Formats: sequence, structure tokens, C-alpha cells
Amino acid sequence: GENVEQHPSTLSVQEGDSAVIKCTYSDSASNYFPWYKQELGKGPQLIIDIRSNVGEKKDQRIAVTLNKTAKHFSLHITETQPEDSAVYFCAASTGDDKIIFGKGTRLHILP
Amino acid sequence: NAGVTQTPKFQVLKTGQSMTLQCAQDMNHEYMSWYRQDPGMGLRLIHYSVGAGITDQGEVPNGYNVSRSTTEDFPLRLLSAAPSQTSVYFCATSGRTGELFFGEGSRLTVL
Repeated sequence: GENVEQHPSTLSVQEGDSAVIKCTYSDSASNYFPWYKQELGKGPQLIIDIRSNVGEKKDQRIAVTLNKTAKHFSLHITETQPEDSAVYFCAASTGDDKIIFGKGTRLHILP
Repeated sequence: NAGVTQTPKFQVLKTGQSMTLQCAQDMNHEYMSWYRQDPGMGLRLIHYSVGAGITDQGEVPNGYNVSRSTTEDFPLRLLSAAPSQTSVYFCATSGRTGELFFGEGSRLTVL
């Protein structure tokens, strides 16, 4: 089955700097790659997603890139702010409706 | 609209006891799923359902049963709780876009 690896597990960046989180997946049939943000005590929420027919997608300070050949995708957050501190999860969707998550990255924005 | 409602929010069980985690949604979504979240392990898929009367196993189904008799409800049953099932459980639904909408979670402790 699908396996999603996510790195790093913890990331600290200075406020205003950029943060990058990387994921790899194993199933070449996966065609949907969402990113979720989880704040303390809450369920994860979708922040951005990308499908396999697109190489890059941007939404204000957040962007996601996808390299299908290498089977990896990345989340980029620019001009980080204190409210970006959270746990971020990447995920990949296989053809059988399973959505498999990475282990998460705890992002700390330092003042 | 409440979205995705999970009950109970907190539960303590003794080893061998049984219980059901309830999940109800008012979003008219066909897809529903259960994840467990453990420190350092991310979100792992337990079971999922693509519609009433249809269920399938995820990554970690052992020790859990599900049923889907209606579109709105997707209960998760633990028949004989074990300490290894201590976790935070999230129910999630999805519509046509593929975006998962999560409940607020149910924290289960098995002594």
C-alpha cells in the first residue's frame, strides 16, 4: 500500500523567514496530494492541495510543488508569522479512496 | 450546520471493556473515515466507507469494527479495549473535492 514519508519532524524558523516541508510517496497511482494544518486541540484542516496534472500551486503565502517522476511534493510557507506555528501533515490519495498521511512536522515560528 | 460531530470527547476504559465512538455528519458526504493519532506516528487510517452499506480497512484495522447503515453515521467499535488503543481518534468526511473535514477528536485512555 501507499507509504508517505515526511521531513523534518520538527522545524524552527525565524518569523519572516520561509519554511519548507518535504514529503515522498510510494504509490505511483496516487494523484491527489493535500496538506493539512493542525492547531493544538483541534482536528486537522486543509490548507492547500495539488493534483497530479499540476506541478505547482500557490495560495498567498503558501505554495505546494509536485514532482511526479521523483514521487515527492513540498510545502513552502513564505514570510512566516506566529500563527503559522502548528503541526503540518502531508497526505497522498491512492486509487482506492484511502488517504494516507505522513507523520507530521511541528513548525515553530521564533520571534 | 455542525459539520462532523464526535462523541464522547474523552473516555477512560479498562482493558477488555468495549465501547463505541460515535461520528455524525450533516454535510451529506458519502465518504467517511476514522483515523487514530499517536505521538510521532501521525494520522493512521483505521477504516473508511465510501457510502452507506460499504466499509473497508485502512492501515491499522485490527481491534476495531465499523458499520455504515446511514449516510450520516459511522460508529467505531472497540470490542475488547487494549492499552495499545490509547490514542486520539478523529472521524473525517469528504465530498466530491476530496477535502477531508475532521471532527474535534475523541481522546481515549485504556488502563
